[in-house]
Amino acid sequence: ETGVTQTPRHLVMGMTNKKSLKCEQHLGHNAMYWYKQSAKKPLELMFVYSLEERVENNSVPSRFSPECPNSSHLFLHLHTLQPEDSALYLCASSPHRGYNSPLHFGNGTRLTVT
Amino acid sequence: SQQGEEDPQALSIQEGENATMNCSYKTSINNLQWYRQNSGRGLVHLILIRSNEREKHSGRLRVTLDTSKKSSSLLITASRAADTASYFCATDHTGANSKLTFGKGITLSVRP
Repeated sequence: ETGVTQTPRHLVMGMTNKKSLKCEQHLGHNAMYWYKQSAKKPLELMFVYSLEERVENNSVPSRFSPECPNSSHLFLHLHTLQPEDSALYLCASSPHRGYNSPLHFGNGTRLTVT
Repeated sequence: SQQGEEDPQALSIQEGENATMNCSYKTSINNLQWYRQNSGRGLVHLILIRSNEREKHSGRLRVTLDTSKKSSSLLITASRAADTASYFCATDHTGANSKLTFGKGITLSVRP
């Protein structure tokens, strides 16, 4: 149990579908992150939230829409995705925004876009 | 690119042997972190070493940092089959746009 729970673990969706990924952390952290992990590529930071406010958006296409209703929950809403969006999507949290303490990751959602 | 580059890309050793993995980076850092990822799972933090530190230990893990060479190494002593995983270094670079930059990872296989 990592303290960061992601659902679903696996998701298959067509390019016209709308789906959402959910992340919940039970660590009392104030910062939450979405990362994309594709084969043979480094982890890509997508979004950062600090105290429910989006503080970073790293040139992510608008077909990915994050939502952070409170400091414990983070969502990634998906619509009209492309096959190249297939990847492992990882949620992480940390006590505060910034990287002077470790990130705590969930086990990810394996997304396949058909 | 600021990302750390791990070396080697893949490593296969016998159980009981030591495993050494290296990471190099290009610009100055606040800290460097090592993570492990088992197949189908998320990343798990192993050790964080700050720029003013040279060596840290955690159980069978030893991490060194040489800021003059912009490099770090992760040593796993007396490896076990359960150490089989991918290992990533991540660097927190100095500057206004602080971002934790991950490498592509090293695949470690420990043969029983």
